[in-house]
Amino acid sequence: DTAVSQTPKYLVTQMGNDKSIKCEQNLGHDTMYWYKQDSKKFLKIMFSYNNKELIINETVPNRFSPKSPDKAHLNLHINSLELGDSAVYFCASSQGDSRNLYEQYFGPGTRLTVT
Amino acid sequence: GDSVTQMEGPVTLSEEAFLTINCTYTATGYPSLFWYVQYPGEGLQLLLKATKADDKGSNKGFEATYRKETTSFHLEKGSVQVSDSAVYFCALSEGGNKLVFGAGTILRVKS
Repeated sequence: DTAVSQTPKYLVTQMGNDKSIKCEQNLGHDTMYWYKQDSKKFLKIMFSYNNKELIINETVPNRFSPKSPDKAHLNLHINSLELGDSAVYFCASSQGDSRNLYEQYFGPGTRLTVT
Repeated sequence: GDSVTQMEGPVTLSEEAFLTINCTYTATGYPSLFWYVQYPGEGLQLLLKATKADDKGSNKGFEATYRKETTSFHLEKGSVQVSDSAVYFCALSEGGNKLVFGAGTILRVKS
């Protein structure tokens, strides 16, 4: 009965590799997000999709590419990983579009460590 | 741009002590304000929210009042428990789904 799930929970990889993180929500929401939380707990939005369409794209290196195959899924692919990419990545979802404000539900996070 | 400033932590309290975590914001318009809580090893959960000036959000004994004149949304609880130990995030949104978070405040409650 998990609302927002992410896989994997932990990811350890070497610099230069390419990796993906998957997110799925079973809440019937039409908006999904990726956030990055750094080692000091600072949380910043990266991307947001509404009905598979990109609506928020913050200043993020283009090595990061989100993909939304359907409303319930939003994956994050990262190319040429760097040490600075080490962080916890959170997926979230909400109902509504850019005109309305609804509660965001967060996944448990994926801790990415780049060595 | 919009920003949120929270008091630095960690905040360490004894059980049943009174809690205040300060939060002030900068926004161009009239944002909605939120407090989220992150328990160890988990994602964030919405704790409470307020959408207009003088609104009071409350949940699980926590309260915060939207003060437009001081651009503040301080979180309070009259008697904390060990189970309240977590990271607390103040956040704002000026419409749409974009949340701007503060840096988070770690709360540690000792028994």
